[in-house]
Amino acid sequence: DAKTTQPTSMDCAEGRAANLPCNHSTISGNEYVYWYRQIHSQGPQYIIHGLKNNETNEMASLIITEDRKSSTLILPHATLRDTAVYYCIVSQYNFNKFYFGSGTKLNVKP
Amino acid sequence: EAGVTQFPSHSVIEKGQTVTLRCDPISGHDNLYWYRRVMGKEIKFLLHFVKESKQDESGMPNNRFLAERTGGTYSTLKVQPAELEDSGVYFCASSPLDSSAGGYTFGSGTRLTVV
Repeated sequence: DAKTTQPTSMDCAEGRAANLPCNHSTISGNEYVYWYRQIHSQGPQYIIHGLKNNETNEMASLIITEDRKSSTLILPHATLRDTAVYYCIVSQYNFNKFYFGSGTKLNVKP
Repeated sequence: EAGVTQFPSHSVIEKGQTVTLRCDPISGHDNLYWYRRVMGKEIKFLLHFVKESKQDESGMPNNRFLAERTGGTYSTLKVQPAELEDSGVYFCASSPLDSSAGGYTFGSGTRLTVV
């Protein structure tokens, strides 16, 4: 599976949009982009996934570039409860094993 | 719908002892995964069951670890004998065979401390 590169940490003001970037330049044609987050020491929580089209659900939006080499997770109105480590993962759709990497620590500040 | 349940939530054992972790997946989920995070490291894949069969156990660190999923329902992960470096949080996750619903669901984990 392709590996990803994410910034180590980011800050965001409460109520503002949080935009978390991810580079996955070696992604292959049959690999999806998944986003998970881990709040404190809880189990990772699924957020969203996509192949090449932009996706939106009740939690977030996922913007994937046309060449699929990078993507951005958008939390439209960040709250303090969104403070977590966010993981960008690329994997085949048949639920191959996930490589979590180090993720981005998002700090939402009042 | 009940989520993925892991038991115990915490376990403290002495080096050399045996510990068994249990995972109850979401009902009807044929895929079951074990992951772990040891202190200061990334979350790492251990193995993947499809029903009762081991689909991929490439992440199992050594033969002190034994995972089973008899009957294709709950799974156990036994560590025998436990070593200090086995300390960490062990996560279980499950998903249906039809993956159109999205990613898999993780449990809250078992925090294992070997002293």
